[in-house]
Amino acid sequence: AQKVTQAQTEISVVEKEDVTLDCVYETRDTTYYLFWYKQPPSGELVFLIRRNSFDEQNEISGRYSWNFQKSTSSFNFTITASQVVDSAVYFCALSEARTITGGGNKLTFGTGTQLKVEL
Amino acid sequence: NAGVTQTPKFQVLKTGQSMTLQCAQDMNHEYMSWYRQDPGMGLRLIHYSVGAGITDQGEVPNGYNVSRSTTEDFPLRLLSAAPSQTSVYFCASTQGGLLEQYFGPGTRLTVT
Repeated sequence: AQKVTQAQTEISVVEKEDVTLDCVYETRDTTYYLFWYKQPPSGELVFLIRRNSFDEQNEISGRYSWNFQKSTSSFNFTITASQVVDSAVYFCALSEARTITGGGNKLTFGTGTQLKVEL
Repeated sequence: NAGVTQTPKFQVLKTGQSMTLQCAQDMNHEYMSWYRQDPGMGLRLIHYSVGAGITDQGEVPNGYNVSRSTTEDFPLRLLSAAPSQTSVYFCASTQGGLLEQYFGPGTRLTVT
């Protein structure tokens, strides 16, 4: 069964600090997709990134970067020079290809990491 | 495009009452899903649909029914509300199973 673990329940940093959110996943599939979503205090879920299991290239988008390592089953997310507006709950999620081809689009979410960025 | 819309935003029910949470999307997405979000548990899949007329159960389907008569709409029915169903409910849609899902704003449901 697929599983996503976000061991950090809550992280507090001071503005301009770098912060890394950890995500570890379990799957028996060789083909899968990983996602990060952001949930700001307003409550909506905002898609940040999608990565497939065959693409281990790290990605940078502005102040955001993602480090995908299949060897350790991790897909970590780093915010550089954090800002107060980054305060949110961040979710890592996994979708296995076999559940998709079997007729679904099932996302398994981690329990989320609450990030608080203070002045 | 309005994206994914959900109504109502807030709802309070008494134990045993039934109700329907509405979800609609205007992006012509084939795939739609319902999740519930509980503190400390992330989001869990209740039911999903891969197209009009096709639905299936997710991780926590008990106490909920769904149907998909059109591509646009995917209502979630609570048959007999229980306090354990107090949660925030999110509807989501996606064009394909491998793509990112777009979420609605959520419905906060309290069952007393």
